Amino acid sequence: AQKITQTQPGMFVQEKEAVTLDCTYDTSDPSYGLFWYKQPSSGEMIFLIYQGSYDQQNATEGRYSLNFQKARKSANLVISASQLGDSAMYFCAMRGTYKYIFGTGTRLKVLA
Amino acid sequence: EAGVVQSPRYKIIEKKQPVAFWCNPISGHNTLYWYLQNLGQGPELLIRYENEEAVDDSQLPKDRFSAERLKGVDSTLKIQPAELGDSAVYLCASSLGGGRTDTQYFGPGTRLTVL
Repeated sequence: AQKITQTQPGMFVQEKEAVTLDCTYDTSDPSYGLFWYKQPSSGEMIFLIYQGSYDQQNATEGRYSLNFQKARKSANLVISASQLGDSAMYFCAMRGTYKYIFGTGTRLKVLA
Repeated sequence: EAGVVQSPRYKIIEKKQPVAFWCNPISGHNTLYWYLQNLGQGPELLIRYENEEAVDDSQLPKDRFSAERLKGVDSTLKIQPAELGDSAVYLCASSLGGGRTDTQYFGPGTRLTVL
């Protein structure tokens, strides 16, 4: 069975500081993909970053980076230099052989 | 490039009434997903299509929900009859397919309120 766990229901960060959103996962699939999506109050899910289970390097996309620790089954999202527009819900997701599942999300609030 | 289009954006109906949602995926995307998202929760898969074929509908409540994707492009999700507990956001997503690298792109969703 596959499972995604996001243990932080809410987080605060000061503008311009970095923040880490936690995500742990469990799967028996030998190969899988890990994704982070952002959902602003408007409701649309926006793809941020992808990490493959066999990728040797951590993924980066602009201010977003994914801290992938395969042995610990964690895929934390790091947002550097937070901006007010980063305030949103953030979802971790995993794509295994057949299934695509999402975590329960973390609500991030960036403070001015 | 146009994104995933969904309509309507909002729908209010009374319980026991039927309702339908429409989704047009990104051009060239063979895989289409319908999700249900309750307030404060992550999306939950209802059905996944590969072209015209529903390859995963195990979470679709088939007594009242139905879906179709004729011609492998746009798709319709229907609820008949709607219940109070169906109030949620219904998200459509599409992707090129491809297993673990399968990045989904979402539409704006349809917010359903059942009174």
